[in-house]
Amino acid sequence: EADIYQTPRYLVIGTGKKITLECSQTMGHDKMYWYQQDPGMELHLIHYSYGVNSTEKGDLSSESTVSRIRTEHFPLTLESARPSHTSQYLCASSEGGHQPQHFGDGTRLSIL
Amino acid sequence: GDSVTQMEGPVTLSEEAFLTINCTYTATGYPSLFWYVQYPGEGLQLLLKATKADDKGSNKGFEATYRKETTSFHLEKGSVQVSDSAVYFCAQNRDDKIIFGKGTRLHILP
Repeated sequence: EADIYQTPRYLVIGTGKKITLECSQTMGHDKMYWYQQDPGMELHLIHYSYGVNSTEKGDLSSESTVSRIRTEHFPLTLESARPSHTSQYLCASSEGGHQPQHFGDGTRLSIL
Repeated sequence: GDSVTQMEGPVTLSEEAFLTINCTYTATGYPSLFWYVQYPGEGLQLLLKATKADDKGSNKGFEATYRKETTSFHLEKGSVQVSDSAVYFCAQNRDDKIIFGKGTRLHILP
């Protein structure tokens, strides 16, 4: 069973606030990913990391930033939240290669 | 480029009906193929996978066969239950990333 955790599960917050979404995994996976999922269900890759001190932007441009200081931890930060950031954010990790990604339960973010 | 196309939903079936959700892919190499399921309020869970041509993935009564000649990976289940109501994503891997289809919402009526 995959062990990847996201906090908070739900967040409602006002415009202009700084937000950090947490993602941790206990599987020792080098590769981690952040997706944004719109109400129409489609998943968009916004950031990924292939190891400590490695971060890359994904296919969808995002105003968020990420860091990877420890293997198990891959937080996502929004410096100044806006209503357009309202969405569900999913974190995933993988061994890479032909192995599947394992997902957390997501953070549903609402910016007022 | 590489892509995954799956049938649009929503798909609505009665309990115990036969399910097929079509999925086709385009790829330059030989990817692994996956089906993920997302229940309401949760993240994605791996449902089944196949790593090479003619492999059959199966789990919880669901099956899908990796068909290289038709570049397809259709999801099937012989008798669906209300608890199968969810969103299903077909996917392939490419260079340590995964390409997802747009998802198919399935509703099962009692």
